Amino acid sequence: DQQVKQNSPSLSVQEGRISILNCDYTNSMFDYFLWYKKYPAEGPTFLISISSIKDKNEDGRFTVFLNKSAKHLSLHIVPSQPGDSAVYFCAASVGLNYGGSQGNLIFGKGTKLSVKP
Amino acid sequence: DTAVSQTPKYLVTQMGNDKSIKCEQNLGHDTMYWYKQDSKKFLKIMFSYNNKELIINETVPNRFSPKSPDKAHLNLHINSLELGDSAVYFCASSKEAWQPQHFGDGTRLSIL
Repeated sequence: DQQVKQNSPSLSVQEGRISILNCDYTNSMFDYFLWYKKYPAEGPTFLISISSIKDKNEDGRFTVFLNKSAKHLSLHIVPSQPGDSAVYFCAASVGLNYGGSQGNLIFGKGTKLSVKP
Repeated sequence: DTAVSQTPKYLVTQMGNDKSIKCEQNLGHDTMYWYKQDSKKFLKIMFSYNNKELIINETVPNRFSPKSPDKAHLNLHINSLELGDSAVYFCASSKEAWQPQHFGDGTRLSIL
């Protein structure tokens, strides 16, 4: 049973436009969410995170939005660049706001983003 | 100056063999992890160690045994390898268990 779902396996965007990657989750106990980026033959690289006490977190071109009532988060990349082409993983965990986390990250299956020049 | 390094990068071996994958981090982190990415591309946690103590042990066959000789190392030993063990194994580390994890580049294990 997938607790973290990324329903779009791929996304293609023109350079300079906005990329929006979506993620849904089912476990209402999740209180910490992260986005990772992965290039082929490399490990995932941490991009940005958000705690469930916030609904938005921004870091440069990357913004993550959290809608707790819908159990949905999204990653916006503006403007998109060809170097952003990679697989993006959404991940969630329990424990940040509950006084302890064991670091058990639950990952989605990933969305492959292609940014065309 | 690689932060999390795994060796080997590729491992091809036969069914029934025993093999080890090594992981080292030079970030001074207290927590280390092993993940498995299967053919369906799901990344699933296998083990987590904090200061050399096991804190997460997901449903993994007993043939898999992690060993943490010190805070900077978490090795994965696999006995009696099976075809279904073919996957990419990632090591990761974080300062605290709730903080973002830094991943190694993975070890691609292929069982013949």
